[in-house]
Amino acid sequence: DTEVTQTPKHLVMGMTNKKSLKCEQHMGHRAMYWYKQKAKKPPELMFVYSYEKLSINESVPSRFSPECPNSSLLNLHLHALQPEDSALYLCASSRRTPVNSPLHFGNGTRLTVT
Amino acid sequence: AQTVTQSQPEMSVQEAETVTLSCTYDTSESDYYLFWYKQPPSRQMILVIRQEAYKQQNATENRFSVNFQKAAKSFSLKISDSQLGDAAMYFCAYRGLTQGGSEKLVFGKGTKLTVNP
Repeated sequence: DTEVTQTPKHLVMGMTNKKSLKCEQHMGHRAMYWYKQKAKKPPELMFVYSYEKLSINESVPSRFSPECPNSSLLNLHLHALQPEDSALYLCASSRRTPVNSPLHFGNGTRLTVT
Repeated sequence: AQTVTQSQPEMSVQEAETVTLSCTYDTSESDYYLFWYKQPPSRQMILVIRQEAYKQQNATENRFSVNFQKAAKSFSLKISDSQLGDAAMYFCAYRGLTQGGSEKLVFGKGTKLTVNP
């Protein structure tokens, strides 16, 4: 069982839709991450939240909007996506310190943009 | 910028045999952390093993061990007594200590491991 829960598991949306991906963890981790993973590729970092504040935005297009309402929740709001945004979106969390704390990943949301 | 290279896109091993996956990295930092993650078809990224660069002793976790060569910037993963459940994509990853860098996990491109019965 994963300790990081992502919903939904699958999402199909049109280019004009607005949808949200959700991520939840109850391990007390204060760092949370969004990654995008295309087929047969490694995960690519999108955003990092540290103590509920956005600390890293890897030049992600504004059609992706992250939100961290509290220390347990992380959302990714999607609007006006393109077909090339279809991918597996992975959420992860970790302890803020020590630095060697591993990331714990969820099972991901498989997003298809039509 | 740090880079992680996995030169073996695919590897195969017979069940119960041993296999070694290669990973090299490039960094100017002296302190950092290295990880191996596996990603089975279920999609979840699972931590296999981690190594602190300041530790000379190679990390081991049951059937999994690493050969960490800091001078050569090499971090290979050895899987002993391979099991069918070990079949997955394996990613080598680097995490540095620089300002902001400690929050980034840099992944290699991955090695797909097939375990043959």
